Amino acid sequence: EAQVTQNPRYLITVTGKKLTVTCSQNMNHEYMSWYRQDPGLGLRQIYYSMNVEVTDKGDVPEGYKVSRKEKRNFPLILESPSPNQTSLYFCASSLQGANYEQFFGPGTRLTVL
Amino acid sequence: DAKTTQPNSMESNEEEPVHLPCNHSTISGTDYIHWYRQLPSQGPEYVIHGLTSNVNNRMASLAIAEDRKSSTLILHRATLRDAAVYYCILRGAGGTSYGKLTFGQGTILTVHP
Repeated sequence: EAQVTQNPRYLITVTGKKLTVTCSQNMNHEYMSWYRQDPGLGLRQIYYSMNVEVTDKGDVPEGYKVSRKEKRNFPLILESPSPNQTSLYFCASSLQGANYEQFFGPGTRLTVL
Repeated sequence: DAKTTQPNSMESNEEEPVHLPCNHSTISGTDYIHWYRQLPSQGPEYVIHGLTSNVNNRMASLAIAEDRKSSTLILHRATLRDAAVYYCILRGAGGTSYGKLTFGQGTILTVHP
């Protein structure tokens, strides 16, 4: 089944403890992206990747890192999480280009205490 | 980035058509218009997209104004399962501009039995 998977789905952590949220897709998509969703603010793009080893900032990249070493994986790294990064995170992927739909993962709910 | 404007909320009755508007007055000639929806407690899912001509698929129809400054997502017969937040976004086709995406807050659609 074609899908985008995220792990973990739920995570409670403490301020400053490094964490990684994994994202993997099995559709051979070149493009992958991370979003966060907060009440009243909608979906905001954090980082995106056009292809392996190519990443760029979205609208809210501060406090996050990403890497794209393989085509199928696009992990989101929080080196020193803070409470304002408590949010619902979505990963998405698509073929390369504007004429293709994005497929979204199920989301990761992160709480930073 | 070209932005979109949508009403915060709309209501409909079950089995009636729903027309969800989106304004994108700063759209460029190569921007595709994409629609996604997010059901409660789920990740966004693709609905439809188009460039210039009206588009139909099994989920909905997309009507694009002749000047492309606005578009309308049409759900022909709303069901309770169509209650969701609907997002209209632009995805640029020029060069690498398809990567950066701005979702906005979307339209909350309520469907009454």
